[in-house]
Amino acid sequence: QQPVQSPQAVILREGEDAVINCSSSKALYSVHWYRQKHGEAPVFLMILLKGGEQKGHDKISASFNEKKQQSSLYLTASQLSYSGTYFCGTPPDSTLGRLYFGRGTQLTVWP
Amino acid sequence: NAGVTQTPKFRVLKTGQSMTLLCAQDMNHEYMYWYRQDPGMGLRLIHYSVGEGTTAKGEVPDGYNVSRLKKQNFLLGLESAAPSQTSVYFCASSSWAVGNQPQHFGDGTRLSIL
Repeated sequence: QQPVQSPQAVILREGEDAVINCSSSKALYSVHWYRQKHGEAPVFLMILLKGGEQKGHDKISASFNEKKQQSSLYLTASQLSYSGTYFCGTPPDSTLGRLYFGRGTQLTVWP
Repeated sequence: NAGVTQTPKFRVLKTGQSMTLLCAQDMNHEYMYWYRQDPGMGLRLIHYSVGEGTTAKGEVPDGYNVSRLKKQNFLLGLESAAPSQTSVYFCASSSWAVGNQPQHFGDGTRLSIL
């Protein structure tokens, strides 16, 4: 039930854009996105609920397509501070108190 | 502004030893979780709790036990440590509506088993 993230790694120059995808073989009730810098704890970015909504956090936004069972995280005009590993997390159903996390996408932004 | 606090931050054990990792949260959250993180594997759920006195198994529960005697604390125990349990352990908590409430993570415990 672990969601699948792609790509596994991305290398960018400052100012470039990136897209990270998260897909599931099962129905998605919501999608969580977290970022983890090296040696630190994961930090919450945003949650997307059913309805195909988009959310934003600074220059980071995301979309959720429940029919396609996938979510995408968009990083525009990347900054050095965006470097880290991005994880998506999905609950197995609408009631249970847990998330299954993807294996992560490592994003490196160079000056 | 403590949030989620994990102790200890580092520990080295010998195979067969036992230990307990402590997680404490001050946000009055109902849900608490223990994850392990290994290179390339993401965060895998070990056990979780939906309230005081309740626990449930996650994806990788073997070799671990947990207890939640108080709402603010969630303990993870290794009865007989094995080298395969070398990992970084994260505790997290969230309020009851898990579908649309974020998980707050502690800083992690780096555990090495020789």
